[in-house]
Amino acid sequence: DADVTQTPRNRITKTGKRIMLECSQTKGHDRMYWYRQDPGLGLQLIYYSFDVKDINKGEISDGYSVSRQAQAKFSLSLESAIPNQTALYFCATSDPGQGETQYFGPGTRLLVL
Amino acid sequence: QKEVEQNSGPLSVPEGAIASLNCTYSDRGSQSFFWYRQYSGKSPELIMFIYSNGDKEDGRFTAQLNKASQYVSLLIRDSQPSDSATYLCAVNVGGAGNKLTFGGGTRVLVKP
Repeated sequence: DADVTQTPRNRITKTGKRIMLECSQTKGHDRMYWYRQDPGLGLQLIYYSFDVKDINKGEISDGYSVSRQAQAKFSLSLESAIPNQTALYFCATSDPGQGETQYFGPGTRLLVL
Repeated sequence: QKEVEQNSGPLSVPEGAIASLNCTYSDRGSQSFFWYRQYSGKSPELIMFIYSNGDKEDGRFTAQLNKASQYVSLLIRDSQPSDSATYLCAVNVGGAGNKLTFGGGTRVLVKP
């Protein structure tokens, strides 16, 4: 079984809708992250969490919110989706014992019409 | 200036040759350095990480770190068509904001 899972894997939604992307991990890591990736571009950090009570904004948090329900679960919400949020979204965990090596989920491909 | 810079490519390499990828970073306090491989539409996979100046080898891959010049490179020996992917460099500055900053990636094409 995959260590970091994301649901759904693909999602099509309409402008203005609220959607939630979910991430679960079995690696036992405290630290979790949400990134977006636009075609041909690198990874942009949306939010990160170093433990259940710690949530931090990344580079591009506007229009997004997160919830850390448990050590193993970190959800990303788009409050009112807009077309320029169409992207590939990745969840990741990190291991501070390995210099913050990050381990990525398989990604969620989101299309906002 | 971006914190982590990579040439976007594509870097075209004949099969069996050495592919050389470079990455520069701006923060002298950076502590650990990572190379990830990403196939189109897939998630990044860790190739290797390096902490200390010098070379680190893992199979066909060698990472080279030069903190004085603020660059890290990746060599892929005996390049194979399956090495065709985008390679992401990531840097951990450390401190309170202990997280990775990614470069934009270099696309590598290995031609048979």
